[in-house]
Amino acid sequence: EAGVAQSPRYKIIEKRQSVAFWCNPISGHATLYWYQQILGQGPKLLIQFQNNGVVDDSQLPKDRFSAERLKGVDSTLKIQPAKLEDSAVYLCASSLGPANNEQFFGPGTRLTVL
Amino acid sequence: GDSVTQMEGPVTLSEEAFLTINCTYTATGYPSLFWYVQYPGEGLQLLLKATKADDKGSNKGFEATYRKETTSFHLEKGSVQVSDSAVYFCALLLLSGGYNKLIFGAGTRLAVHP
Repeated sequence: EAGVAQSPRYKIIEKRQSVAFWCNPISGHATLYWYQQILGQGPKLLIQFQNNGVVDDSQLPKDRFSAERLKGVDSTLKIQPAKLEDSAVYLCASSLGPANNEQFFGPGTRLTVL
Repeated sequence: GDSVTQMEGPVTLSEEAFLTINCTYTATGYPSLFWYVQYPGEGLQLLLKATKADDKGSNKGFEATYRKETTSFHLEKGSVQVSDSAVYFCALLLLSGGYNKLIFGAGTRLAVHP
């Protein structure tokens, strides 16, 4: 069974530029999560989707971050404009359902903002 | 609020040494508890879990017991190997409104030397 796929694996941009990350969850997984992992910290949930609807985006900085999952499968996370403090690893995860307690994580995208 | 506290790293051990990584939590409900492992260049992988008090999770020689009285979930292994070198994250999962929320500790880096 294929795991969660993410791209790109690495991205370097200058502040005030925009960037987008892509995630393809495990086939059949209805719930998709985006996490931000700053160096030396644990992952922090940014947004959770159930199929193509948002169920929790309370920690998403909505002035610069946006995410979508239009067809209920793959998802994109965008930052516009980026700030230095956005440098982090962005992890995507998926689970069978919203109450299923095992989340499967992708390898992450490491973003460096200069 | 709900949170997880782990011992700070790095933890440096010789091969075959005994490992303990401490984890305590604060939660308003009855969480499930997890240990995730992140090997260099890879995504988070579930190592073990426990869903209720006094449950013991175990995998690959690692084990942890859910202690409600001390709100702890310490990770142990009797004899570590070089291949165990990684970052270990303790996490709690709360079910709220039909959706789960995973909260991570800051992670503990383990380095095992031959």
